[in-house]
Amino acid sequence: QVQLVQSGAEVKKPGASVKVSCKPSGYTFTAYAINWVRQAPGQRLEWMGRINAGNGNTKYSQKFQGRVTITRDTSASTAYMELSSLRSEDTAVYFCARHGPVGEEDYQFYYGMDVWGQGTTVTVSS
Amino acid sequence: SYVLTQPPSVSVAPGQTARITCEGINIGNKGLHWYQQRSGQAPVLVIYYDSHRPSGIPERFSGSNSGNTATLTISRVEAGDEADYYCQLWDITSDYLIFGGGTKLTVL
Repeated sequence: QVQLVQSGAEVKKPGASVKVSCKPSGYTFTAYAINWVRQAPGQRLEWMGRINAGNGNTKYSQKFQGRVTITRDTSASTAYMELSSLRSEDTAVYFCARHGPVGEEDYQFYYGMDVWGQGTTVTVSS
Repeated sequence: SYVLTQPPSVSVAPGQTARITCEGINIGNKGLHWYQQRSGQAPVLVIYYDSHRPSGIPERFSGSNSGNTATLTISRVEAGDEADYYCQLWDITSDYLIFGGGTKLTVL
């Protein structure tokens, strides 16, 4: 069974950083990209960035550039999203989602994100 | 950056057909995907590349994409279809993933 399992809820103070993990199972980790999408309470889905789990290449939304870092550990078959300089507006549910396969040219044109993690609630409060 | 526009809400009676639109400039030339998000849950892909259904998605869900409008059609709507629906595409110019604002489907 293909699934993505994320780390648990976090409570952080303003100015701190948070690191969320996403561990896939049931498929070859390096054959797909992992995207990170967040959703503030009552708001739309918002794409933050992605990592090609095969070659490690990343792309970040301009909105989060400089504050977000997406990495992967191929030995642990785990992807990570770290968001720094947290503020109250970063309170949201953070999802990871599989996209690919990356071996297909322009896979993002043809394929949607077909497997999602359960979401990780990050609360930023003083 | 590229913008996708969805109606905030659509209402339909059980058994009827719901149509949810997603508008964008020349959206018909882009691969468009649709997600269902029930309350408190993660999104689920229901249509990819305009009109393709992933395995496990009922045939009641279909999609089309032409010109400046893409449409998600849900036939014989059931109470369990009540959810938020999001369109999404890859903007090749920016290399970003773009989501629409979401449409809340209410089953009357």
